[in-house]
Amino acid sequence: EIVLTHSPATLSLSPGERATLSCRASQSVSSYLAWYQQKPGQAPRLIIYDASNRATGIPARFSGSGSGTDFTLTISSLEPEDFAVYYCQQRSNWPWTFGQGTKVEIK
Amino acid sequence: EVQLVESGGGLVQPGGSLRLSCAASGFTFSSYWMSWVRQAPGRGLEWVANIKHDGSEIYYLDSVKGRFTVSRDNAKNSLYLQMNSLSAEDTAVYYCASLYGGFDPWGQGTLVTVSS
Repeated sequence: EIVLTHSPATLSLSPGERATLSCRASQSVSSYLAWYQQKPGQAPRLIIYDASNRATGIPARFSGSGSGTDFTLTISSLEPEDFAVYYCQQRSNWPWTFGQGTKVEIK
Repeated sequence: EVQLVESGGGLVQPGGSLRLSCAASGFTFSSYWMSWVRQAPGRGLEWVANIKHDGSEIYYLDSVKGRFTVSRDNAKNSLYLQMNSLSAEDTAVYYCASLYGGFDPWGQGTLVTVSS
């Protein structure tokens, strides 16, 4: 099973700041990596798929990069609605797995 | 509007069974792979099962293989998850999701609680 490790576990930032979230895979997942945002009491929402493609309706301030084992989700300038938990997920190998998440909280 | 609505969750005793349903609308359900993903209270996300648009391919998480069965009825735009031999470790919110790049979109989830 491919293990996905997020860093940091928690990111404390202010609105307007840049957020950089990392996800590392225990083995290569090529570009088959997605990012999701989840707010309390809500279902997750797809943000990025295949490492760098924004999902429908996702603002341009969200961008993804990486391939192989190291991936990054960048939020260029945090808006109040961006404070949430972010999960990465791979679909390269069965079972599909998620990381444990990075919480982006207001500083 | 694309929408997925789960139902069928509830409280069940260990060893019991439950059948979850997911009603899809607003898109061509029969053209998409579908998935079940669960989230234990206060925990992260865990993929459970995938089913191909025509039901010809199915994949399961090892820990549910032999106990859970995913199926679909394209005529009814519906996805199902039959869960047998439930244990406390299966307690979670169960989400259905379509697969388009990633899991997108998701339903609102239905809570399954396994407890005596």
